Amino acid sequence: AQSVSQHNHHVILSEAASLELGCNYSYGGTVNLFWYVQYPGQHLQLLLKYFSGDPLVKGIKGFEAEFIKSKFSFNLRKPSVQWSDTAEYFCAVNDASNTGKLIFGQGTTLQVKP
Amino acid sequence: EADIYQTPRYLVIGTGKKITLECSQTMGHDKMYWYQQDPGMELHLIHYSYGVNSTEKGDLSSESTVSRIRTEHFPLTLESARPSHTSQYLCASSPGGAARFFGPGTRLTVL
Repeated sequence: AQSVSQHNHHVILSEAASLELGCNYSYGGTVNLFWYVQYPGQHLQLLLKYFSGDPLVKGIKGFEAEFIKSKFSFNLRKPSVQWSDTAEYFCAVNDASNTGKLIFGQGTTLQVKP
Repeated sequence: EADIYQTPRYLVIGTGKKITLECSQTMGHDKMYWYQQDPGMELHLIHYSYGVNSTEKGDLSSESTVSRIRTEHFPLTLESARPSHTSQYLCASSPGGAARFFGPGTRLTVL
């Protein structure tokens, strides 16, 4: 069965620090990969997605993620975090049949100190 | 801003009650989803629909049922709530592919 693993459950950073959140998935076939973000008190929203092509994907608010097929990874990065990036981040994968059924990781809570 | 609505936002009920969690979207999306999320845990798909009169069970077994009589409406019903149903329920929709827009969620507590 497919699964998604997010290694960091709780990350605390100071403003301007660089961020990398790990995400690994277990599925040998073609996958579509997603990062979702949930800011405090807000809806879960799509941050970025990878379907095919350039493995370095850029999303909203300066976030990017790199798909490394050999490592089954899709890590999220941001060079310099802001206090407003405090949120919960979820990695997800669905299979290439694009049925829309997503498998989510446990989420990573990011706290950015001003 | 996503036009997907869930009511109620919070619900506390006693064991054995029948409840319906409402979900509506005004974007005309064919695909709709229900996810269940326990605190600090991943979201699990419990139901999905690809259009009117189409409903399927997700990967996580659930005692709830859903219906899709209208494109914009995808309610979830628990016939007899139990404490094990205490969780957050998230509705989502998409014009195609994976869930794109999520609702604010309903936090259910069954006493």
